[in-house]
Amino acid sequence: KAGVTQTPRYLIKTRGQQVTLSCSPISGHRSVSWYQQTPGQGLQFLFEYFSETQRNKGNFPGRFSGRQFSNSRSEMNVSTLELGDSALYLCASSLGGAGPYEQYFGPGTRLTVT
Amino acid sequence: DQQVKQNSPSLSVQEGRISILNCDYTNSMFDYFLWYKKYPAEGPTFLISISSIKDKNEDGRFTVFLNKSAKHLSLHIVPSQPGDSAVYFCAASNAGGTSYGKLTFGQGTILTVHP
Repeated sequence: KAGVTQTPRYLIKTRGQQVTLSCSPISGHRSVSWYQQTPGQGLQFLFEYFSETQRNKGNFPGRFSGRQFSNSRSEMNVSTLELGDSALYLCASSLGGAGPYEQYFGPGTRLTVT
Repeated sequence: DQQVKQNSPSLSVQEGRISILNCDYTNSMFDYFLWYKKYPAEGPTFLISISSIKDKNEDGRFTVFLNKSAKHLSLHIVPSQPGDSAVYFCAASNAGGTSYGKLTFGQGTILTVHP
């Protein structure tokens, strides 16, 4: 079974621009979570989508948004980029639904804002 | 407020010996715990998990122990191998609640296994 894929792997943007990152979950997984990893803050939860609905959101400004499509693929968007948005963005998929499930991570998208 | 803490930034062990990685948490609502391994430029790889109704879970060379009263868990790797050298993250979730899809991570411990 193919793992979680993320595109693009690397991205360089300028302050003020916007960016869209894509995540394809493991086949059969309906939940997609997004995380930001920085050296100072570690891995921080952004939001989670299940069946095209955002069920949970972390403590990030409204510039960070996402969506999920009917095939469970997900995108996240960051508008009006700031230097501090430079980070590794990770998505993770799981079966979702009731009960605890382990999450499986993609390789991440390394975003650099200049 | 760091709810999951890995107080040892690094750990060095000899090949063949036991590696013990520790993790403490403060949120009593956490009921599901996971360990991940991460290599540079890759996403975290799931290793092993444990539910709060258990105190031990084994999978091959990896064993996770949970002490709920102390709010402490540990990952034992026996025997350690050079390929185990990576950053290890402890994560926790409130799976029984409404905090859907959210894992709270510790800061990570760098494990180095010397041949």
